[in-house]
Amino acid sequence: QQPVQSPQAVILREGEDAVINCSSSKALYSVHWYRQKHGEAPVFLMILLKGGEQKGHDKISASFNEKKQQSSLYLTASQLSYSGTYFCGTEINRDDKIIFGKGTRLHILP
Amino acid sequence: KAGVTQTPRYLIKTRGQQVTLSCSPISGHRSVSWYQQTPGQGLQFLFEYFSETQRNKGNFPGRFSGRQFSNSRSEMNVSTLELGDSALYLCASSLSVNWAASYEQYFGPGTRLTVT
Repeated sequence: QQPVQSPQAVILREGEDAVINCSSSKALYSVHWYRQKHGEAPVFLMILLKGGEQKGHDKISASFNEKKQQSSLYLTASQLSYSGTYFCGTEINRDDKIIFGKGTRLHILP
Repeated sequence: KAGVTQTPRYLIKTRGQQVTLSCSPISGHRSVSWYQQTPGQGLQFLFEYFSETQRNKGNFPGRFSGRQFSNSRSEMNVSTLELGDSALYLCASSLSVNWAASYEQYFGPGTRLTVT
């Protein structure tokens, strides 16, 4: 039931775009996205509920495709501060426990 | 507004001992969740409490238990510690339950537990 994240790691130059995917083998009720910098606690980015919604703030946005049982996180014009490990967490049903993917390590070079 | 606080920040225990970790949520937050993070297994959900009631529990043995008090502070306890329990234990609080569209979860700095 653990969602699968891809890619496992990515290296970009500042200003480039990145897409991180989170796929589930089961239909999802919600997808949560977090970023964790080395040695720090995870920081909540956004939650997407089923209904195929999209969300975003600043240059970070995400989409949730119910049919494909997949969510994608989009990082536009990446900044050095975007470096870290990105986790998606999924719920199969409302009020279910959140199961996290193994994370995607993102490294932004100047 | 003060963030989520966890005590202690670091802990070294011996196999077979028990440990209690504490979490104080952001003022006004009624939901508290606990997670275990290890390099091998990643971030794994332990429990979620809302208004002193456990709403969800992860796939951990009965040695892992928790509770929430009326002031929303939460504790988790691990009895009969094993070497594999060495991990970063994170607590997170939120105003609402996790299916609400306005849900935002704030993590504490974690307690680093080392079992020798």
